[in-house]
Amino acid sequence: NAGVTQTPKFRVLKTGQSMTLLCAQDMNHEYMYWYRQDPGMGLRLIHYSVGEGTTAKGEVPDGYNVSRLKKQNFLLGLESAAPSQTSVYFCASSPPSDNEQFFGPGTRLTVL
Amino acid sequence: DAKTTQPTSMDCAEGRAANLPCNHSTISGNEYVYWYRQIHSQGPQYIIHGLKNNETNEMASLIITEDRKSSTLILPHATLRDTAVYYCIVPHQAGTALIFGKGTTLSVSS
Repeated sequence: NAGVTQTPKFRVLKTGQSMTLLCAQDMNHEYMYWYRQDPGMGLRLIHYSVGEGTTAKGEVPDGYNVSRLKKQNFLLGLESAAPSQTSVYFCASSPPSDNEQFFGPGTRLTVL
Repeated sequence: DAKTTQPTSMDCAEGRAANLPCNHSTISGNEYVYWYRQIHSQGPQYIIHGLKNNETNEMASLIITEDRKSSTLILPHATLRDTAVYYCIVPHQAGTALIFGKGTTLSVSS
């Protein structure tokens, strides 16, 4: 039982490049979330999903897109990376109507 | 989410109890109090939650005042590995984003 895994663990991009971050969970959770954490700050929600095929915007969605084609996977895309998107990205999952969220180890992204 | 207030930092000696306070005076009657922690560079980890009764699990105890306006997370025998940022969160509804504020940085020293 791996829990929540994130791929890749580290990435360096140049401004304007695109990439996709993958989150996978093996707990059969309905809800999945993408957060970002900037140095010295708390986590902020980017997008979330309450089920396969559904997504919704969070607090800071601009510059990101997401997809939930399979229940166990939640993808976060950056179409044209900017230095302001340099951050640590955390994925989480939870059962429906439950605030006990399980977090992945994070992806550290640097945009030059 | 109801607003929460926590001290910025606390120190604790290894082996002693760590008592982390949280004020949530605007909490509604059906809102739970959740505690998470984040060890350096790792994803947040769920610790415990409660509504109005005191709760205990293998990690910690949660004491909620009778008026529910404040709570205390207790780590009964703190170890060096408990050094982390501890977040007190009161979600408005279940299954939504958690609002992580600045939390309390707990430093456990030998």
